[in-house]
Amino acid sequence: AQKITQTQPGMFVQEKEAVTLDCTYDTSDQSYGLFWYKQPSSGEMIFLIYQGSYDEQNATEGRYSLNFQKARKSANLVISASQLGDSAMYFCAMREGSGGYQKVTFGTGTKLQVIP
Amino acid sequence: DGGITQSPKYLFRKEGQNVTLSCEQNLNHDAMYWYRQDPGQGLRLIYYSQIVNDFQKGDIAEGYSVSREKKESFPLTVTSAQKNPTAFYLCATNMDVGETQYFGPGTRLLVL
Repeated sequence: AQKITQTQPGMFVQEKEAVTLDCTYDTSDQSYGLFWYKQPSSGEMIFLIYQGSYDEQNATEGRYSLNFQKARKSANLVISASQLGDSAMYFCAMREGSGGYQKVTFGTGTKLQVIP
Repeated sequence: DGGITQSPKYLFRKEGQNVTLSCEQNLNHDAMYWYRQDPGQGLRLIYYSQIVNDFQKGDIAEGYSVSREKKESFPLTVTSAQKNPTAFYLCATNMDVGETQYFGPGTRLLVL
């Protein structure tokens, strides 16, 4: 089974609207972390937001929030008030394990295009 | 300025040639990583290093080699044994295992 699944290869959103990017994960670990990164056309991976498996509150960072549903093993990224600069690839990633090296697995990404 | 630098931005390799990609950081992070990204795919781990003079293979280490002689530097050599080296290569660092990884700007490797 895929560790990280992003089922939306591409998404369109109107400027100023909110958009949800889906991410489901698969792990048997109790301790894990979930990340979202943004990759603009320049290529650099930009860290957006982090959610730990034991965090009870959903993570928020400015216009980004992570809708964490542990029982469903989903960690969707919500971007509010979309801006043209939000057009990019978005990757969900998961860190598993505790102690020693903790492997990070990335999904295949969702390409978001914001329409003026 | 604190950050992660990768050079060159573009690199061209001839058949049978070894090439080295540079990754330097001044964040005082202990751990460093090399990832490969192919079109339409996520990142795959090539090598990682948690401390100086120590490094471990990732999922796709064949045809690659690394060194970690200094905390600030983690160069990646793409050897002639790597038959399909054309890809985007990203270096990342973090303070410690489990912490958020931060990425450099990447190097795009093309085969002539």
